Amino acid sequence: AQTVTQSQPEMSVQEAETVTLSCTYDTSENNYYLFWYKQPPSRQMILVIRQEAYKQQNATENRFSVNFQKAAKSFSLKISDSQLGDTAMYFCAFGDNTDKLIFGTGTRLQVFP
Amino acid sequence: NAGVMQNPRHLVRRRGQEARLRCSPMKGHSHVYWYRQLPEEGLKFMVYLQKENIIDESGMPKERFSAEFPKEGPSILRIQQVVRGDSAAYFCASSYNRGRETQYFGPGTRLLVL
Repeated sequence: AQTVTQSQPEMSVQEAETVTLSCTYDTSENNYYLFWYKQPPSRQMILVIRQEAYKQQNATENRFSVNFQKAAKSFSLKISDSQLGDTAMYFCAFGDNTDKLIFGTGTRLQVFP
Repeated sequence: NAGVMQNPRHLVRRRGQEARLRCSPMKGHSHVYWYRQLPEEGLKFMVYLQKENIIDESGMPKERFSAEFPKEGPSILRIQQVVRGDSAAYFCASSYNRGRETQYFGPGTRLLVL
């Protein structure tokens, strides 16, 4: 069975600095995809970024980028130039052809002024 | 272009009552997924539906929980005879296709069982 592990329950960063959130996963499949979702205090789940396992190039979306290491089964999220609005829970998720997403337990990020 | 809509946003029920949660997928999406988030935990898959069909209900509790996605109207997650342990946030997501499509989430319904 697939598992997703987020080993950092809480992280903090100062505004304008860079922070990296860790995620590791376990799977025997070769064809899958990975997500980072953001859950601000409003509790809405917001898609941050998506990575296809077959792509070697790391996905980027503005200030958000990932470091995808397929052999190590690692999928970290880097947030550059952190903003107060980035304060949220961040969930890593694994998806394959079974249609269901497997979520990690989340990392609570606090951005300080 | 409206996103995934869920209502109600907050629902309070007493033990033994029924809870009905509704989800309208994004326009053009015919695949709906329900997830449950217990306090301080990640989201857990419950059920995946297409129009008029349940495709995967491997995450649904065997008793008291049911889901449907009729030809017309929203998807409904129904919880009968609620217990305090059902208190959670219930999220609906939708996608255009199945398999490798991105799932877009609604704002969730917070169920509180007194």
